[in-house]
Amino acid sequence: GENVEQHPSTLSVQEGDSAVIKCTYSDSASNYFPWYKQELGKRPQLIIDIRSNVGEKKDQRIAVTLNKTAKHFSLHITETQPEDSAVYFCAAEDSGTYKYIFGTGTRLKVLA
Amino acid sequence: GAGVSQSPSNKVTEKGKDVELRCDPISGHTALYWYRQSLGQGLEFLIYFQGNSAPDKSGLPSDRFSAERTGGSVSTLTIQRTQQEDSAVYLCAGAGTSNTGELFFGEGSRLTVL
Repeated sequence: GENVEQHPSTLSVQEGDSAVIKCTYSDSASNYFPWYKQELGKRPQLIIDIRSNVGEKKDQRIAVTLNKTAKHFSLHITETQPEDSAVYFCAAEDSGTYKYIFGTGTRLKVLA
Repeated sequence: GAGVSQSPSNKVTEKGKDVELRCDPISGHTALYWYRQSLGQGLEFLIYFQGNSAPDKSGLPSDRFSAERTGGSVSTLTIQRTQQEDSAVYLCAGAGTSNTGELFFGEGSRLTVL
């Protein structure tokens, strides 16, 4: 089955700087990779996703890149703001099972 | 409903007691997932329901855990003879008919086993 590793576990950046969170996965047949943001005490919510037929996707200040050969994908947040502070989870679909396997999360702190 | 509803939001129980956690997904969402989030940990897959198909129970940590989904809608996660290590937030999520797509999570049920 799929295994997802996520790094770093914590990340502190100055407001306005960029943040990068990286994930690797094990199942080369996986083709869907979402990212979820969980603010303190709230439910996880989808912020961006990417499918295996593209290498990069952007949505305003966030972007996700995918390298299928290396089996890793990354979340990039530019011009970070205090409201970006949260826990971010990457995930990969366990191909053929419709299970979503999540990474262990990255706690991002944006320092004002 | 407008979103995924879970109850209770908080549950404190004594070791050895049974607990039931309820999830009411968004109307029309055929897929339903249960995940467990322990303090500072990621989202651990427990079980997945899709329509009338047999559920994928591969993530249930022991036979003390079971879940059912009645009428393709409401789901109940039952933990028998609770242990302290069962303390966690149990999250329910639903998805539409496309299977590969956004999960809509509930607020979770925080379980504390004393």
